[in-house]
Amino acid sequence: SAVISQKPSRDICQRGTSLTIQCQVDSQVTMMFWYRQQPGQSLTLIATANQGSEATYESGFVIDKFPISRPNLTFSTLTVSNMSPEDSSIYLCSASKMTGELFFGEGSRLTVL
Amino acid sequence: SQQGEEDPQALSIQEGENATMNCSYKTSINNLQWYRQNSGRGLVHLILIRSNEREKHSGRLRVTLDTSKKSSSLLITASRAADTASYFCATDEGGTSYGKLTFGQGTILTVHP
Repeated sequence: SAVISQKPSRDICQRGTSLTIQCQVDSQVTMMFWYRQQPGQSLTLIATANQGSEATYESGFVIDKFPISRPNLTFSTLTVSNMSPEDSSIYLCSASKMTGELFFGEGSRLTVL
Repeated sequence: SQQGEEDPQALSIQEGENATMNCSYKTSINNLQWYRQNSGRGLVHLILIRSNEREKHSGRLRVTLDTSKKSSSLLITASRAADTASYFCATDEGGTSYGKLTFGQGTILTVHP
């Protein structure tokens, strides 16, 4: 298994600012992902965080808006840039080992005013 | 895009009853997984069933998979109030997408004591 710590757990931000969410895993994992979950909705994959290289983004998500870093096997960050109220959401870090199941952090609940 | 469609969207039962949730998907898959999410928390992996498997058990959970119908079901037997949560199916298409999960819309389960 893997335990994932995310911070901040929640934040309230002003329009136009940026926020970086950190994700720390307690053991080495093969893959790390960032998901977005609107309140009461399902999860949408933002990108795959690749170690030491640029993240792989899903359709509808771009690096300028959601820059992602993964400097090593256990740590990743997601930045939500130039925020608008539409970015208010829960952002979830997840990781997998070769078993295929995903482990999730508790999420970062972001409110943009 | 969302791969899985789940039904019902919401299910309310009494403690001790069984709960059945269904998931349909659109593309071929490598495996299908079920997750639970308690309110305000991250997702917890429940069970993974591979495309060459038809049924799998884990404690009070029973999962079936019908690849010809592109559908799966999750049965929770002898439900408890603590089972109250949202349940999501997620598909892994494998290949170059291995490890990337596409989540369904989820079923909100309420178990009344």
